[in-house]
Amino acid sequence: NAGVMQNPRHLVRRRGQEARLRCSPMKGHSHVYWYRQLPEEGLKFMVYLQKENIIDESGMPKERFSAEFPKEGPSILRIQQVVRGDSAAYFCASSKKDRGNQPQHFGDGTRLSIL
Amino acid sequence: AQSVSQHNHHVILSEAASLELGCNYSYGGTVNLFWYVQYPGQHLQLLLKYFSGDPLVKGIKGFEAEFIKSKFSFNLRKPSVQWSDTAEYFCALAGGNTGKLIFGQGTTLQVKP
Repeated sequence: NAGVMQNPRHLVRRRGQEARLRCSPMKGHSHVYWYRQLPEEGLKFMVYLQKENIIDESGMPKERFSAEFPKEGPSILRIQQVVRGDSAAYFCASSKKDRGNQPQHFGDGTRLSIL
Repeated sequence: AQSVSQHNHHVILSEAASLELGCNYSYGGTVNLFWYVQYPGQHLQLLLKYFSGDPLVKGIKGFEAEFIKSKFSFNLRKPSVQWSDTAEYFCALAGGNTGKLIFGQGTTLQVKP
């Protein structure tokens, strides 16, 4: 049990469709981070959110990608009009605080495949 | 600019061999360093972390890492690897106030029984 719950584990979409990836942080954690792992590459930071706030989205592509972390419910990473290059593993992590000395706990990831 | 570099992309060892995985970073301020492990098909798990204090950090499963500030390095070591250590290993740093992690490219470790 990873603690951080991501769903779905695997998602297949056709080009042009929308992909929605969900992340429920560990109990007691109010900080959520999204990372993307492209084939043969390390994890790249995408966005950092707290409840109802985007704190840092410096790693998000400028178009088609958005993220939210509503007051109630999971954090959502949304990719509109998906393209082949969006195929990757998307990992969510959560922590208690936003300082760098708080370890992040990762979910199992969502593996997105674009046909 | 913040960056993390792992020099070994793929390492193959026999059981009982000693392991050292290199990690160098670039960051101008106070840095927090981590090693994560990803077993096949699983999520990333924290092996160990360095925030301050003793530069020799001990983690889970017999792993340790040494922070050498003058060399901007945080190498991971294990005296004797096991087949179950086969996994991908990521070095990461967190700097600044947001805590976002900057990862290295990862090192795939294959341990032969």
